[in-house]
Amino acid sequence: DAGITQSPRHKVTETGTPVTLRCHQTENHRYMYWYRQDPGHGLRLIHYSYGVKDTDKGEVSDGYSVSRSKTEDFLLTLESATSSQTSVYFCAISEYRGYEQYFGPGTRLTVT
Amino acid sequence: QKEVEQNSGPLSVPEGAIASLNCTYSDRVSQSFFWYRQYSGKSPELIMSIYSNGDKEDGRFTAQLNKASQYVSLLIRDSQPSDSATYLCAVESRDDKIIFGKGTRLHILP
Repeated sequence: DAGITQSPRHKVTETGTPVTLRCHQTENHRYMYWYRQDPGHGLRLIHYSYGVKDTDKGEVSDGYSVSRSKTEDFLLTLESATSSQTSVYFCAISEYRGYEQYFGPGTRLTVT
Repeated sequence: QKEVEQNSGPLSVPEGAIASLNCTYSDRVSQSFFWYRQYSGKSPELIMSIYSNGDKEDGRFTAQLNKASQYVSLLIRDSQPSDSATYLCAVESRDDKIIFGKGTRLHILP
């Protein structure tokens, strides 16, 4: 398995609170991605990073921000969580853009 | 928005038979194609990549690509109960992002 970890694995939070999810990789891959997966929608890209401090928006970026201060870490922040952000969040990494992606174990987030 | 289409299933296949999963995509310039397997409650796992027209075989899995028809498929030979999962087709889009289909649920009948 690719060396990707996500923390926390499960989180329950209240509407309006800030939440940060962490993705950590040991593969030294340049590209890192955050997806959310919801029934009926499949995997949707939130944000991605193509290097330290280099990030860009994906398909469903509203309400989310990201940061990457080190190659190995990619953080996803929900500034003020809403119930519509209840989802399973996956981090993925790839060595090259448009190339094979490998997924972390996921974080199940519930916003009450 | 470029799309990747899959039949949601469930596709039920007897144990030992060939399971055939299909995917169509809309962006003619796509060059890279992937199949992922996802067990319930788990993360997607890459099982096949294919980049050129034709067939690519890996063990019991064969990926088939036809760029002219914008069609990619996955065949699973000698299907086992452990193959029961959701299979995601993924296609590289023209801006190098990967677009995922919503997946086909496969159920192997013992």
